[in-house]
Amino acid sequence: DTGVSQDPRHKITKRGQNVTFRCDPISEHNRLYWYRQTLGQGPEFLTYFQNEAQLEKSRLLSDRFSAERPKGSFSTLEIQRTEQGDSAMYLCASSSAGTDIVGGYTFGSGTRLTVV
Amino acid sequence: RKEVEQDPGPFNVPEGATVAFNCTYSNSASQSFFWYRQDCRKEPKLLMSVYSSGNEDGRFTAQLNRASQYISLLIRDSKLSDSATYLCVVYNQGGKLIFGQGTELSVKP
Repeated sequence: DTGVSQDPRHKITKRGQNVTFRCDPISEHNRLYWYRQTLGQGPEFLTYFQNEAQLEKSRLLSDRFSAERPKGSFSTLEIQRTEQGDSAMYLCASSSAGTDIVGGYTFGSGTRLTVV
Repeated sequence: RKEVEQDPGPFNVPEGATVAFNCTYSNSASQSFFWYRQDCRKEPKLLMSVYSSGNEDGRFTAQLNRASQYISLLIRDSKLSDSATYLCVVYNQGGKLIFGQGTELSVKP
């Protein structure tokens, strides 16, 4: 499988717990993005990396959220002290700088988080 | 105001109908434009890029008007399999895709 992989596919957690999601991008892609999508809305940008550098973070990314891409390959997104409002689909995408401008993004299948 | 705004849905149309979706964007420095398709509980997938000269891919025609900051998608002879959410997307100079809220299309027999 040479696509973008996300793990887990589904996560149910109790309010207040911490959760961590993983994204494995396409190996030759140097850019990695995290988006959040709630019901009836389009994906909202959270953050992105070029190699291991985090280049931009949305104001949506509160201090309870942290993302890493330690070796410029896979990335993790951690949410601390989850709230019910965090329930959403978390999408990861990867691209190569230079081809993303022409639509060269590949999305993973997402991690669906439910906070109860 | 959202950076990308789309027609609210849902659009319910019979098979064979022609349907048009509209979208406006607020950042005049946006560089590239796309329509994505998203099936229920799936990831978004690129449908087509949008160019000022207009472009067509089979039954799908996309158009960009940079002066009005307006993007459109026309679907002719709609099929049941076209039922999905259509997302208007811009790529801005910050290096990321910005999505509209999406318009749901339901094609009925």
